[in-house]
Amino acid sequence: DIQMTQSPSTLSASVGDRVTITCRASQSISSWLAWYQQKPGKAPNLLIYKASTLESGVPSRFSGNGSGTEFTLTISSLQPDDFATYYCQQYNSYSTFGQGTKVEIK
Amino acid sequence: QVQLQESGPGLVKPSQTLSLTCTVSGGSISSGTYYWSWIRQPAGKGLEWIGRIYSSGTTNYNPSLKSRVTMSVDTSKNQVSLKMTSVTAADTAVYFCAREVRWGQQLDYWGQGTLVTVSS
Repeated sequence: DIQMTQSPSTLSASVGDRVTITCRASQSISSWLAWYQQKPGKAPNLLIYKASTLESGVPSRFSGNGSGTEFTLTISSLQPDDFATYYCQQYNSYSTFGQGTKVEIK
Repeated sequence: QVQLQESGPGLVKPSQTLSLTCTVSGGSISSGTYYWSWIRQPAGKGLEWIGRIYSSGTTNYNPSLKSRVTMSVDTSKNQVSLKMTSVTAADTAVYFCAREVRWGQQLDYWGQGTLVTVSS
């Protein structure tokens, strides 16, 4: 099984901040990684796939980077709508998600 | 615009079988390279991928759940289904269906999810 570990678990930030979330895989997954945003009571929403490709319609303030075992999701300037929980997902072998990172208002 | 809608009993007794259906609208489940996945999320916890199915009936299951899970497809109704046997309280979760762009790829459309509670 490939394990995905996100850090931090919770992130406190203000509107306008640049925030970065890290996701580490227990073994190499090449670039087979996606990032999702989830708000309470809603389904996850795809933000980025193949580590760095922005899904259509997703604001350009979101960006992804990395390959192998270490990946990052960066929000360049946090907006009020961005306070949510973010999950990474590997799809190199079956599929596993990270435990999530909650971005909350500071 | 593709839409997915999960449906099924909200309450299942321990040791019984959980059965859910995902109805797809706005596109045929048989078109293209799409796979259809099931994912679940216990309250306040993270996401767990359950498995995927193609319109041909080809399946791929999470090894940790494989012995209890069966997925099927009904192309005439544009539906995919999930059955999970011998459920326990640990199977209580919101169950989502989602479209996978192609085998083993990202999940681009999701249903709203349906809560299944396992309790006597």
